[in-house]
Amino acid sequence: KNEVEQSPQNLTAQEGEFITINCSYSVGISALHWLQQHPGGGIVSLFMLSSGKKKHGRLIATINIQEKHSSLHITASHPRDSAVYICAVSDGGNEKLTFGTGTRLTIIP
Amino acid sequence: NAGVMQNPRHLVRRRGQEARLRCSPMKGHSHVYWYRQLPEEGLKFMVYLQKENIIDESGMPKERFSAEFPKEGPSILRIQQVVRGDSAAYFCASSPQRDFRQYFGPGTRLTVL
Repeated sequence: KNEVEQSPQNLTAQEGEFITINCSYSVGISALHWLQQHPGGGIVSLFMLSSGKKKHGRLIATINIQEKHSSLHITASHPRDSAVYICAVSDGGNEKLTFGTGTRLTIIP
Repeated sequence: NAGVMQNPRHLVRRRGQEARLRCSPMKGHSHVYWYRQLPEEGLKFMVYLQKENIIDESGMPKERFSAEFPKEGPSILRIQQVVRGDSAAYFCASSPQRDFRQYFGPGTRLTVL
């Protein structure tokens, strides 16, 4: 069993829909990260959070430490949001990241 | 402030050759992480370095792989005697301190013929 599990693996939605991507982890963590990997391969750090909720534009990330679960939401989705979204956790030691396998999101115009 | 820089962006090597991948962290960042993404697989941690020190190399293959982050200059990931299974995208990330967001470079895509 992977330490970080994401669902769904693939998600296709119409432009404008509300998107939710889930992440569960089985280890103790110091922080959880949401990353976006573009079709060209580049990786952008979206959020780093250890409790509660963070919002940036149309993106919202939440974490429930007790349940070891996080969600990434995208409101008013747009085709440019099409990418692979990756959940990763850092362990409070050396802060190396352990990654989920990613969720491939496709937004259709 | 330039972002994390990696070069080359693409590298082609024949089996048995050496590959050297370079990572220049963001200005003011002294923590560097290397990650590998095999084709159709997720990212995996390889090594964590601070200036002149290897802090954690638990993700590095035991043979042929080495990393350094000298006092001056970029961090280098070196792969000796490459094999086809080394073909992957290698990403480095940097941060200014230990418990801080990591900023990723564009990656180096290594192809071993």
